[in-house]
Amino acid sequence: DAGVIQSPRHEVTEMGQEVTLRCKPISGHDYLFWYRQTMMRGLELLIYFNNNVPIDDSGMPEDRFSAKMPNASFSTLKIQPSEPRDSAVYFCASSFSTGDNSPLHFGNGTRLTVT
Amino acid sequence: GDSVTQMEGPVTLSEEAFLTINCTYTATGYPSLFWYVQYPGEGLQLLLKATKADDKGSNKGFEATYRKETTSFHLEKGSVQVSDSAVYFCALSGAGSYQLTFGKGTKLSVIP
Repeated sequence: DAGVIQSPRHEVTEMGQEVTLRCKPISGHDYLFWYRQTMMRGLELLIYFNNNVPIDDSGMPEDRFSAKMPNASFSTLKIQPSEPRDSAVYFCASSFSTGDNSPLHFGNGTRLTVT
Repeated sequence: GDSVTQMEGPVTLSEEAFLTINCTYTATGYPSLFWYVQYPGEGLQLLLKATKADDKGSNKGFEATYRKETTSFHLEKGSVQVSDSAVYFCALSGAGSYQLTFGKGTKLSVIP
């Protein structure tokens, strides 16, 4: 089991550019979560999917952020246009829907720097 | 809404010292409680969990007991090692929910 795979590990871009972050969940997991981590705000849930369908996107900061899950093995988080305040580590996580509060499995994150 | 409050860090301890990281929560009903650990450059990993009152979660020498009367889930370890240096997150999920609410994390540094 390769775990949750995120790419790229690091992304440096200029303000105004489009940024796309990618995630491959663990095979068989039917929940996928996108989190953002900053020193000031800690870990924030942005959006989560169940069976590829977005369930709750109330954490998405604004319309510049969008997320998709076209199939069970791939999800993207896109920021367009990017701003310096979007600089953070973005984590993808996945889990089973066991009804027993199955633990989240996190990827190693994408560190985004917007200059 | 649900919330988790954990002690501010950073915490610096000598090897073999006793560790306590305090965590309290606010939630309706009977949430499940978790401790996650984040090593440098990595994502979070589940350390231990407890799903009902008075349950004790344990793993790798760490323990935490679900105390409903004090709404707490304090993390303890009797003798820390340098390899325990990491950021520790307390978290909860509400009954029937798959969403986790995290505390802000406590950075632990263990020095030889």
